[in-house]
Amino acid sequence: DAMVIQNPRYQVTQFGKPVTLSCSQTLNHNVMYWYQQKSSQAPKLLFHYYDKDFNNEADTPDNFQSRRPNTSFCFLDIRSPGLGDAAMYLCATSRVDRANYEQYFGPGTRLTVT
Amino acid sequence: SQQGEEDPQALSIQEGENATMNCSYKTSINNLQWYRQNSGRGLVHLILIRSNEREKHSGRLRVTLDTSKKSSSLLITASRAADTASYFCATREGGTSYGKLTFGQGTILTVHP
Repeated sequence: DAMVIQNPRYQVTQFGKPVTLSCSQTLNHNVMYWYQQKSSQAPKLLFHYYDKDFNNEADTPDNFQSRRPNTSFCFLDIRSPGLGDAAMYLCATSRVDRANYEQYFGPGTRLTVT
Repeated sequence: SQQGEEDPQALSIQEGENATMNCSYKTSINNLQWYRQNSGRGLVHLILIRSNEREKHSGRLRVTLDTSKKSSSLLITASRAADTASYFCATREGGTSYGKLTFGQGTILTVHP
């Protein structure tokens, strides 16, 4: 089945130690998004790729970076995680040449910072 | 700024009852979508309603949209314990070219068997 896959599902990192979260998709969608979701809050868009074009949200900290080496994969890099970066990180995809623009989400990676 | 605001924040009902959740938003939209999130999981798209539509049905789901009041409601009929989840509305603002969605704070629905 076509899907959005995130690895790992759970990630523990130390304060200040760089960490990379990965997302892959078999939907062949041209847009990939990264969201941060803290407990009992709405998902907050960090950035997205429209094909190879990277688009950062204005309030996304510089500590967060992303790479999209090809259509199928997208990575979220946190250069120096702080305690406040502990959250669920959600990857989503959509195909913007379809009128609906519904997004397909992966299961998320829960990040713990110790 | 927060686009979607939802109420109630939490809703607890018995199996078989109907559940209604409301969402309000601030700016003009292209469409409004509802998503479900089971605890600790990703979001699942439920239903989309376009700005020129007033009501839409999908199985046990009924969504209404009132653009004059900038509000939407999601009705789940004959609820089941498996419907227990958080429900988010999300709006796609007019003019965005890449389908950016802004999510509301969500309603936590608990359905007791």
